[in-house]
Amino acid sequence: SQELEQSPQSLIVQEGKNLTINCTSSKTLYGLYWYKQKYGEGLIFLMMLQKGGEEKSHEKITAKLDEKKQQSSLHITASQPSHAGIYLCGAEPQPFSGGYNKLIFGAGTRLAVHP
Amino acid sequence: ETGVTQSPTHLIKTRGQQVTLRCSSQSGHNTVSWYQQALGQGPQFIFQYYREEENGRGNFPPRFSGLQFPNYSSELNVNALELDDSALYLCASSRRDTRTFFNRNQETQYFGPGTRLLVL
Repeated sequence: SQELEQSPQSLIVQEGKNLTINCTSSKTLYGLYWYKQKYGEGLIFLMMLQKGGEEKSHEKITAKLDEKKQQSSLHITASQPSHAGIYLCGAEPQPFSGGYNKLIFGAGTRLAVHP
Repeated sequence: ETGVTQSPTHLIKTRGQQVTLRCSSQSGHNTVSWYQQALGQGPQFIFQYYREEENGRGNFPPRFSGLQFPNYSSELNVNALELDDSALYLCASSRRDTRTFFNRNQETQYFGPGTRLLVL
């Protein structure tokens, strides 16, 4: 079965610093989602990447998909305390999953931003 | 906010009891998926409902069951609760386009705030 591994598991940065979170899949990626979760709360959709080489940005967050490496990265520029939380990558485990789409998730990267 | 609501927000039950969790999907969405998230882990897919029928299931026993109603809201029922069922239960709604039913679909799933279940 496909697995997603996120690194690092946790990250503490000073406000204003840049940071990168990685998500590596054990199998080919057909769609990669990034979500943010505040502790004990629901997931907030950030962005979805479909094609190799695709790059999307939202405010100070940029995500890229490298299909050859079966990897995606999430980059935050000039981090702020509001960026703190758990970042989760999710992927569809196969392209044709019997007509339904389920997501598998990595364990998450816990980010703390200190003022 | 995503427009997906869940109730209750918190729940405490004892082992062996039964529980029902509820989810209202975002307006315009016709598909609901349920996930279980244990502490410190990523969410795990339980099952998905589309057109009031179960449409895909993860590795969960039959004591996990669900319903979807004509208004696309959904319930998750868990019988014979075990201590390991303690978790955050998340529902996610999405829009299935029937024209691409048999094709790769990329409907983004929008999550509710979750129900925190504690089994003692």
